This record gives sequence, structure tokens and C-alpha cells, in this order.
Amino acid sequence: DAKTTQPNSMESNEEEPVHLPCNHSTISGTDYIHWYRQLPSQGPEYVIHGLTSNVNNRMASLAIAEDRKSSTLILHRATLRDAAVYYCILRDKGGSNYKLTFGKGTLLTVNP
Amino acid sequence: EAGVTQFPSHSVIEKGQTVTLRCDPISGHDNLYWYRRVMGKEIKFLLHFVKESKQDESGMPNNRFLAERTGGTYSTLKVQPAELEDSGVYFCASSQQRTTAQYFGPGTRLTVL
Repeated sequence: DAKTTQPNSMESNEEEPVHLPCNHSTISGTDYIHWYRQLPSQGPEYVIHGLTSNVNNRMASLAIAEDRKSSTLILHRATLRDAAVYYCILRDKGGSNYKLTFGKGTLLTVNP
Repeated sequence: EAGVTQFPSHSVIEKGQTVTLRCDPISGHDNLYWYRRVMGKEIKFLLHFVKESKQDESGMPNNRFLAERTGGTYSTLKVQPAELEDSGVYFCASSQQRTTAQYFGPGTRLTVL
């Protein structure tokens, strides 16, 4: 599986934007970039995914570099409920990589 | 619509005993996955069902673990006999298709004493 690299931790203030980076220099042309998060004492939760173009949904935005070797998850206004571990995961578009391979992720702390 | 549910939420057993974890996926989701996180480690894939068929068991740690999904609805994961290193949180997830988002349950925290 292609690997991703994320910072171990990041800190933000409430109601400020947060940019969570992810490097995936060995990404293949058929890999989607997925983001999940895990809130304390809960199961992982799907956030967003994309292939080449930037994506927006009600939870977040995903900005993908032109060469696709990196991406950034953007939380436009962090709330205390966004404090979680965020995972950047690559999945093959062809469906062969159906299982999720979790790394250590980024622990996001949101200060009031 | 109900999400993925898991039962029990917590289980404390002694080494050598048997425990069965249950997962009810989202209705209509043919794909069901089991994952676990043991203390201090990353979340690891255990196995994947499509309906009642096991598609991939590559993550199952050993033959003390048995997963079933009779009728393609709920799934059970049995650990027999349980060992200390089996302690951790077991997550179940489901998805409509193999490539779509996976929806996770809250997990079952297993403690083996």
C-alpha cells in the first residue's frame, strides 16, 4: 500500500481554520485520497475523499496538490468537537484496496 | 437511518474464556469489515465480508479468531480461547460498495485478564 506521512499532532484555536497536511509521494494514478477521523471513545468517521480536484462537503474541504504528492484537509472553523485524530488514507480506485490502512494520524487539539 | 451497532460495548473476561462480539451493519450494506486496535498500536484490518462470504481474512491474527456472517446480515467475531494480547478495541464497519466510505460502529472494548 502507498504510504502517507502526517504530523503527529497539531493545535488550533476554536473558530479558526485548520489545515491538516498529508504527504503521499508514492501515490499511484488510481489512488483516491481519503480522510477519516476518530473522536475520543468513538469509531473512525469518514470525512472526505478526492482524486485530483479539490472537494468540499459539509464537514471539510480537501485541497489536492497538482502533482498529487500531497493534500491538505481544511476545517474552515474549528470547534471543540473537531478535536480528534485525523487519518489520511490512500485507496485504489479500482477497488483492490478495499480495506483501510490506518497510520498514526494527526492528533488535533482545539483550544477554546 | 440507524448506524452500525456493536454489542457489547465492553467485555471483561479471563484468559482462556470465550467471547463473542456482534456487529449489525447499516441495512443494505453488503460489505462488512472488522478492525481492531490493541493498546498503543494503530487500527488494523482483520477481515472483510461481502454478504455472507469472506473476501479477505488476511488480518486475522490466528485460528483462535472466528468470524461469521450468516445470511449476510449481522456478523459475529468469536475469540476462543482468549489470550491477554487479544485485549483492545474491536471495530466493525460497513459500506455499500467496496470502494465507498466505510461507516464504523462505536467499537467493543475487550479486556482479557
